Amino acid sequence: KNEVEQSPQNLTAQEGEFITINCSYSVGISALHWLQQHPGGGIVSLFMLSSGKKKHGRLIATINIQEKHSSLHITASHPRDSAVYICAVRKSDGGSQGNLIFGKGTKLSVKP
Amino acid sequence: DAGVTQSPTHLIKTRGQHVTLRCSPISGHKSVSWYQQVLGQGPQFIFQYYEKEERGRGNFPDRFSARQFPNYSSELNVNALLLGDSALYLCASSSHLLETQYFGPGTRLLVL
Repeated sequence: KNEVEQSPQNLTAQEGEFITINCSYSVGISALHWLQQHPGGGIVSLFMLSSGKKKHGRLIATINIQEKHSSLHITASHPRDSAVYICAVRKSDGGSQGNLIFGKGTKLSVKP
Repeated sequence: DAGVTQSPTHLIKTRGQHVTLRCSPISGHKSVSWYQQVLGQGPQFIFQYYEKEERGRGNFPDRFSARQFPNYSSELNVNALLLGDSALYLCASSSHLLETQYFGPGTRLLVL
């Protein structure tokens, strides 16, 4: 079983819909990242969070440390939001330093 | 300001050959991490360097090696290439070990 699991794997939405992508992890973490990857490979860091909730524009990320779960929400989705969204965690075991463990990603397609 | 840059963008090699991939971090960033992303999967951690020292290593064979130079740029070397080494190789930089990582566009390697 992967240490970081995302759901759903694929998501198709209509423009304007509210979108939720989920991430569950099975290890102790010091931080969780949400990343966006466009076709061609470039990755953009959206959020890094260790507790609570962060908001940036139409994106909201939440994390529940006790339940080992995080969600990424997109409000008023737009076709330009189409991308792969990846959850990644940094283990808190000290020996892993700064390296990240990634989920497999959620491929989002927003139709006009 | 320039982001993380990687070269080359694309590369085709044959089995048994050697490859060197290069990464220049964001100015002022002292940590560089390397990840391998096989098609359809999330990235996998290969190495992390900080202040020219290896600070983390993922579960990759000894054919993979890396180094960081005094100007904090980095090289990833892969010897005796296998077909399974075909992937997108991502470099990420951060100011310190545990800070947000900023990703480069990646080098797409195809081994024939």
